[in-house]
Amino acid sequence: AQKITQTQPGMFVQEKEAVTLDCTYDTSDPSYGLFWYKQPSSGEMIFLIYQGSYDQQNATEGRYSLNFQKARKSANLVISASQLGDSAMYFCAMRELSTGGFKTIFGAGTRLFVKA
Amino acid sequence: DADVTQTPRNRITKTGKRIMLECSQTKGHDRMYWYRQDPGLGLRLIYYSFDVKDINKGEISDGYSVSRQAQAKFSLSLESAIPNQTALYFCATSTGTSGSDTQYFGPGTRLTVL
Repeated sequence: AQKITQTQPGMFVQEKEAVTLDCTYDTSDPSYGLFWYKQPSSGEMIFLIYQGSYDQQNATEGRYSLNFQKARKSANLVISASQLGDSAMYFCAMRELSTGGFKTIFGAGTRLFVKA
Repeated sequence: DADVTQTPRNRITKTGKRIMLECSQTKGHDRMYWYRQDPGLGLRLIYYSFDVKDINKGEISDGYSVSRQAQAKFSLSLESAIPNQTALYFCATSTGTSGSDTQYFGPGTRLTVL
């Protein structure tokens, strides 16, 4: 069963504007972690931000924030003040901690294009 | 210097050949992972290792084997490469000691099997 869903294969945003990348997940484990990674055209995977299922506040890292809505099982990534260098693939991922936390499941990704 | 390195970065080989992809890390992490990435499918776990004596299959281990030579080294082998193993392969590491246990990835190896 699909556990991580990213419904936007591609997104466009104007430079300096904010953009939200959607991610929904499915788990029955009450303890889990949610991650976002960026993959530029060069191919490497860059960790951006983490949200734990018990965290009371939404995670933030610089221009990145995670809009965590637990009841809706969504973990959207918000990028503020988009820059040309933000053009990349973005992957949402989840790890279920009660199973020993060994397996991180990735979504199919969203490709973001930032327009000048 | 990169904390997680992979060699080679690119490889073209022929069907039936044996291929080894190598991963080294200087992060001091116990846990290491091998993933493959195919277009439209995100990353899928091939094998993972929690320490030198612990090797586990992931969701797509058929056709692959691994060796954890040391804490810092984790190799992936394709015993007899086939074209549908053409993909981008990533090694990753994590500490396993915190709630987030963030995985840190190497730069990837692009493998093409003709």
